[in-house]
Amino acid sequence: QPVLTQPPSSSASPGESARVTCTLPSDISVDNYNIYWYQQKPGSPPRYLLYYNSDSDKGQGSGVPSRFSGSKDASANTGILLISGLQSEDEADYYCLIWASHAYVFGTGTQVTVL
Amino acid sequence: EVQLVESGGDLVQPGGSLRLSCAASGFAFSDYSMNWVRQAPGKGLEWISYISGSDDTIYYADSVKGRFTISRDNAKNSVYLQMNSLRAEDTAVYYCARDGGVTMVLGVIYPDYWGQGTLVTVSS
Repeated sequence: QPVLTQPPSSSASPGESARVTCTLPSDISVDNYNIYWYQQKPGSPPRYLLYYNSDSDKGQGSGVPSRFSGSKDASANTGILLISGLQSEDEADYYCLIWASHAYVFGTGTQVTVL
Repeated sequence: EVQLVESGGDLVQPGGSLRLSCAASGFAFSDYSMNWVRQAPGKGLEWISYISGSDDTIYYADSVKGRFTISRDNAKNSVYLQMNSLRAEDTAVYYCARDGGVTMVLGVIYPDYWGQGTLVTVSS
């Protein structure tokens, strides 16, 4: 199964933006995958945030603020989660997810810290 | 309201067996595929198995293939995970997750709701 690489950590101050990346291996193209994003706080199950395939094919989870958004950088073979106007409640672990070859594959996870 | 409640987690010795259950409510259970996902202490999420709504398609991660068996009983609104030949590295919180999300263009499904999880500890 492919390995989806995320930076272990990311931090930003309240009101700033935090960017979480999810890099696919070079043998598969991010253009061919929906990227799903989940938030997990300590002691809680993951919460679905959004998915992104393209600007015309994307979706936001129920109750998820619009300051969470997704995108792709095809040149870097990467899916991106952008958290704008960072708030203290956004401090959590974030995971990307794809469906590949009859299996779900999670990213390695990124801990976002609000400074 | 969608609810998923896992049970059956316990302390078990290496080589032992355990059966996890996930009771679903608040939606038409048989219309949805289900998954088991685990998380070892302090580690990331790992998908381990998928079962379609009609029970005709099943997938496993390589790490559990041949040892774990997923099943469901649509009359009881439940999905199960039979775990055999357990190893220390199977120690984790096990979540069930519903494939209830649908993408806009191609209608691809994905996990949307998760249970609270049940802890499995494999240790002598």
